[in-house]
This record gives sequence, C-alpha cells and structure tokens, in this order.
Amino acid sequence: NAGVTQTPKFQVLKTGQSMTLQCAQDMNHNSMYWYRQDPGMGLRLIYYSASEGTTDKGEVPNGYNVSRLNKREFSLRLESAAPSQTSVYFCASSGGDTQYFGPGTRLTVL
Amino acid sequence: AQSVTQLGSHVSVSEGALVLLRCNYSSSVPPYLFWYVQYPNQGLQLLLKYTSAATLVKGINGFEAEFKKSETSFHLTKPSAHMSDAAEYFCAVSRYNQGGKLIFGQGTELSVKP
Repeated sequence: NAGVTQTPKFQVLKTGQSMTLQCAQDMNHNSMYWYRQDPGMGLRLIYYSASEGTTDKGEVPNGYNVSRLNKREFSLRLESAAPSQTSVYFCASSGGDTQYFGPGTRLTVL
Repeated sequence: AQSVTQLGSHVSVSEGALVLLRCNYSSSVPPYLFWYVQYPNQGLQLLLKYTSAATLVKGINGFEAEFKKSETSFHLTKPSAHMSDAAEYFCAVSRYNQGGKLIFGQGTELSVKP
C-alpha cells in the first residue's frame, strides 16, 4: 500500500497563477482532509470531505477550493495564488479516529 | 471551542535523559487526543492516541502519554531519549462527533544532544 500520496512535492508560483494539488489514498477511507503547515502555527485545516460527494470548510478556507473526485482522490485548487499561501500542504485520510498523512507539498508563491 | 496548547516551542535534552513534552487542551466534551511526530521533510506519523479507554497510553518508539482530565493535560514522555527522537511533535484534539477534524497545537521541536 502506498498510503496517502501527494503531487507535486515542490512548486513555485508567481502571484496570480493557479494550480491544483493532487492527493490520493489507497486505504478505502471515507474521510479526507487538506491542511497547511506554517512555522509556529501547527497544522490548520483548510477543507475536509467526510465522504465521496461532500466537502466542507475548515479553519482557513479563503483562497482555496476543493474537489472530491471519487473515494480515492481529493484535490486542492488555488485559483489566484498569493504570497500568503506560501506554506507546506498536507493531505490526510481517515477511516476512523486516526488520520494518515501524505508527505506534503512545499509551495512558494513569489 | 476546542484548542490545544503546547508549552515550549523548543525542548533540548541529552541522550539518555527523560523526554517530557507538554500539551494542554480545552474541550467542552470528552476529547480524543493524539500525538504525532514529524521528521524533517516528511509527513506526520501517529505516535499514540487516547480515545476514552485507558488513561495511560503507550505508543511507538517507547513513548507514552497520560490523559489527566482534572488538569486537562496529555503530556508525552519517554524515559530515555535517543538521537533518533529528534523531530517535531504535535499534540492534537478532536471530538468523536465532528467527523474526525483535528485541532493541532503549534508543535514542539525536540533536540537530542549527544
């Protein structure tokens, strides 16, 4: 099992550009999550999906959109990137009370 | 609202010394509590979790944590630090009826000196 995979690993964008971060899990989990990690702030929830076809906002959703494409895949889109979105992004999935995390995407917005 | 506070953003111990990482939480209902570890340039890995069973929870790599409701604490300990324990540690809380959403503390970076 690969667990939770994320692409790309690194990305540099210019302000105003758009991009989609991809996440997939092979554990047949219903729930999936997107977090951002910033120094001294821990991880903060951006969006989550409790099951295929449903999504909901987390703590810091502004500037992001998500798509739960199917049970395996949950993508995060930045429509118009801003320097404040420079961060490390983690996807996670859960089939119960434990979340399993991907390796992260390091995004820099210039 | 739930929140998590980790006391100390950096903790340094000598190899073989006790590791104590502090976590306090606030929650209006019985929480689920977690400790995750993050090694450099990697994702988060679950160390241990409390989900209303035994209050003393044992995890991987010799770590354990005790849930103390009266102190609203869930401190992480390890009797003897190893160089490989150097990493960032995150405490997190969730509620059983909130779809597993986690609220994280700000993290504690553990350094281990030879």
